[in-house]
Amino acid sequence: KAGVTQTPRYLIKTRGQQVTLSCSPISGHRSVSWYQQTPGQGLQFLFEYFSETQRNKGNFPGRFSGRQFSNSRSEMNVSTLELGDSALYLCASGVWTGGDTEAFFGQGTRLTVV
Amino acid sequence: AQSVTQLGSHVSVSEGALVLLRCNYSSSVPPYLFWYVQYPNQGLQLLLKYTSAATLVKGINGFEAEFKKSETSFHLTKPSAHMSDAAEYFCVVSYTGGFKTIFGAGTRLFVKA
Repeated sequence: KAGVTQTPRYLIKTRGQQVTLSCSPISGHRSVSWYQQTPGQGLQFLFEYFSETQRNKGNFPGRFSGRQFSNSRSEMNVSTLELGDSALYLCASGVWTGGDTEAFFGQGTRLTVV
Repeated sequence: AQSVTQLGSHVSVSEGALVLLRCNYSSSVPPYLFWYVQYPNQGLQLLLKYTSAATLVKGINGFEAEFKKSETSFHLTKPSAHMSDAAEYFCVVSYTGGFKTIFGAGTRLFVKA
């Protein structure tokens, strides 16, 4: 069973540009969530999608957006990049509710903004 | 408000020594608790999870954790540390009634030879 796939693994962008990150969840998983990880702020929840609908959203500016397609694949977009957006972006698929399931994380996309 | 606190951002132990990583949570409803491990430049991998079935939970790689409701704690332990245990560990709390997860700040474990 294939795991969560995030592409690309590494990315370098310039301030002001925009970027799109992709996440393919494990087959059958309908929930996809995104996290930003930085040395200073740790792991922060960005948003979660379930069946193409955003169910929860973290405390990030509107420059951060996402969507989910009918095949459960998800994309995350960051517009007008800032240096502080440099981070490891992690995607997880699965469901948390009920407790008898777990989130499966991808290896992440490391974004560097210069 | 729900929260999770990991005591100690860095923990250093000698190879073969006991590993103890502390996690305390605050919650007004029964939580589900998880420990995840992250190796450098990797995603997070589930170590173990508490789902109210048993208070002592055994996970992978010899780790276990005990849920203590009276202390609102879910500390992670391993009797004997290996060099390969060096990584960052996250305590995670989630709640039913909606998709809500709270990550602890993480504890980086160093294992000395």
